[in-house]
Amino acid sequence: DAGVTQSPTHLIKTRGQQVTLRCSPKSGHDTVSWYQQALGQGPQFIFQYYEEEERQRGNFPDRFSGHQFPNYSSELNVNALLLGDSALYLCASSLDFSYEQYFGPGTRLTVT
Amino acid sequence: EDQVTQSPEALRLQEGESSSLNCSYTVSGLRGLFWYRQDPGKGPEFLFTLYSAGEEKEKERLKATLTKKESFLHITAPKPEDSATYLCAVPAYTGANSKLTFGKGITLSVRP
Repeated sequence: DAGVTQSPTHLIKTRGQQVTLRCSPKSGHDTVSWYQQALGQGPQFIFQYYEEEERQRGNFPDRFSGHQFPNYSSELNVNALLLGDSALYLCASSLDFSYEQYFGPGTRLTVT
Repeated sequence: EDQVTQSPEALRLQEGESSSLNCSYTVSGLRGLFWYRQDPGKGPEFLFTLYSAGEEKEKERLKATLTKKESFLHITAPKPEDSATYLCAVPAYTGANSKLTFGKGITLSVRP
């Protein structure tokens, strides 16, 4: 049973650039949530997608946007990158009726 | 707003030296509590779900307990491979697929 997968593993970008991160949910899951984890901190909720719509959003600026595809996979886009966007970006998948979220390995984004 | 506080921030144990990790929370209504294990540079790995005060769950050397205000993760006779960061999280509100609010985590180091 394939778990949550994310790509790429690592990414280095320059301030002002744009980045796209990708996530495939665990088999059978239909909901995808994205989290940002800074070094030494717990994950912070960015937003959640269900049925190709953004259902919930955390306290992140509009520079952070996303998309969910008909096969339930998802993308996280960040525009106008700032140094402070450097973090581990985590994707979590779940079933619509469940609280339990399962995480992928993450994408380490470094902004220079 | 919900708050999750974990203590201590870091814990160093000798192999075989049992101890407990604490997670205290302030929520408008208990909707469950989750424990995750996170290895460096990896995504959180799901450990336990606890839904009601008095509930206990066990897995190998780990035992999680829940009261109305806090949860404990007891580690019995730990081994070096138990070294990791342990995160706890609560659903922010009632309803499936609520975002998770995480604590900062407790970094556990077990010396051989």
